[in-house]
Amino acid sequence: DAKTTQPPSMDCAEGRAANLPCNHSTISGNEYVYWYRQIHSQGPQYIIHGLKNNETNEMASLIITEDRKSSTLILPHATLRDTAVYYCIVRARGLSGNTPLVFGKGTRLSVIA
Amino acid sequence: SAVISQKPSRDICQRGTSLTIQCQVDSQVTMMFWYRQQPGQSLTLIATANQGSEATYESGFVIDKFPISRPNLTFSTLTVSNMSPEDSSIYLCSAKTAGLAHATSTDTQYFGPGTRLTVL
Repeated sequence: DAKTTQPPSMDCAEGRAANLPCNHSTISGNEYVYWYRQIHSQGPQYIIHGLKNNETNEMASLIITEDRKSSTLILPHATLRDTAVYYCIVRARGLSGNTPLVFGKGTRLSVIA
Repeated sequence: SAVISQKPSRDICQRGTSLTIQCQVDSQVTMMFWYRQQPGQSLTLIATANQGSEATYESGFVIDKFPISRPNLTFSTLTVSNMSPEDSSIYLCSAKTAGLAHATSTDTQYFGPGTRLTVL
């Protein structure tokens, strides 16, 4: 079973920041938070991952609360091409992470012009 | 990152027939997986493809229905056997490098573009 909770859908105006929340209150100390997205009719695309520090890359920023029970994926300037289903997944890395990702239902983000 | 390709990208098949989907990874990876995504649903893991041995199937999936091969580190096939309309789905191949004792940045799992199967 998925260990995360996400809102089923969100809207965001084009050019504004999209903030996608995720609750993972039962996360273990060795588990990372991963974000993927799936644009219609494509395979899931890796976005970012983090353990406890905030992370940023060319696609997005990941903010993880100090207690690690929740996180937020931030797309700083959403475009129409960011319309997709976003999945938040927790999983260990290293030897303990040699298991396939388990997907929940994700959040369907609609970017509106 | 690993680049994963799948063939065919889509197919329309008659019930009772079988379809074999191919997955090719551009680099040697230690772990490969097959997922199914039914219309409007999230991804469900079918099995882990093991090199040189039988695949490891998840609950609800059996080898007779979804035989899987993995002859080497970069290639795997999934066959959907004796198809029925309920098998109409997107089938996705995925791969990752096995994590080591110390987590590395190459631990990310990547996905192919999927094969859209319609069974009439």
